[in-house]
Amino acid sequence: DGGITQSPKYLFRKEGQNVTLSCEQNLNHDAMYWYRQDPGQGLRLIYYSQIVNDFQKGDIAEGYSVSREKKESFPLTVTSAQKNPTAFYLCASSIMGGNYRPLSGANVLTFGAGSRLTVL
Amino acid sequence: AQSVSQHNHHVILSEAASLELGCNYSYGGTVNLFWYVQYPGQHLQLLLKYFSGDPLVKGIKGFEAEFIKSKFSFNLRKPSVQWSDTAEYFCAALTGGFKTIFGAGTRLFVKA
Repeated sequence: DGGITQSPKYLFRKEGQNVTLSCEQNLNHDAMYWYRQDPGQGLRLIYYSQIVNDFQKGDIAEGYSVSREKKESFPLTVTSAQKNPTAFYLCASSIMGGNYRPLSGANVLTFGAGSRLTVL
Repeated sequence: AQSVSQHNHHVILSEAASLELGCNYSYGGTVNLFWYVQYPGQHLQLLLKYFSGDPLVKGIKGFEAEFIKSKFSFNLRKPSVQWSDTAEYFCAALTGGFKTIFGAGTRLFVKA
């Protein structure tokens, strides 16, 4: 079955340590995204990537870094510079439909199961 | 700044009651609108979407939403909820490029 795999599901980190969250998709989607979910705040966009070797900052990119060396992979590194890293992280992907193109499925996000990071 | 507002953070209903969850967005141009749902223990998934055309859109499991451009609203409705509708519901808007903006979410609990 096609989908998005995130790992690990749970991760504990000591303050000052970097940690990398994995996201792999086999949907052949061009675009991939990282969101952070906090209670009462919905989902906030960290980074997104439309094509390989290119990515853009979202609304809360500070303290995070990403890479997109392969179409199917979009790992997120939570660095020690992120002041409040404890959160639930969601990876998503979508067909690259462009602005307002009424293609079936375009711009619809498919999500992974998420990774819960706790800083001790 | 573009934003999406959901009116209720927590809603408790009895089975068979009608549901309406409010959603407003702040953007004056063309917008794509979505409702996503996260059932307990499951992935966040699409409930329904509006891109253009008929402003009343129907989604899975009997849900529907109405796009009212003059009110910048995209409220979610269901005539009769079931216990299995217990979930968290997110309204979202895509206003340009690839940045989908989400509301804070509404947790719905349906009493059996």
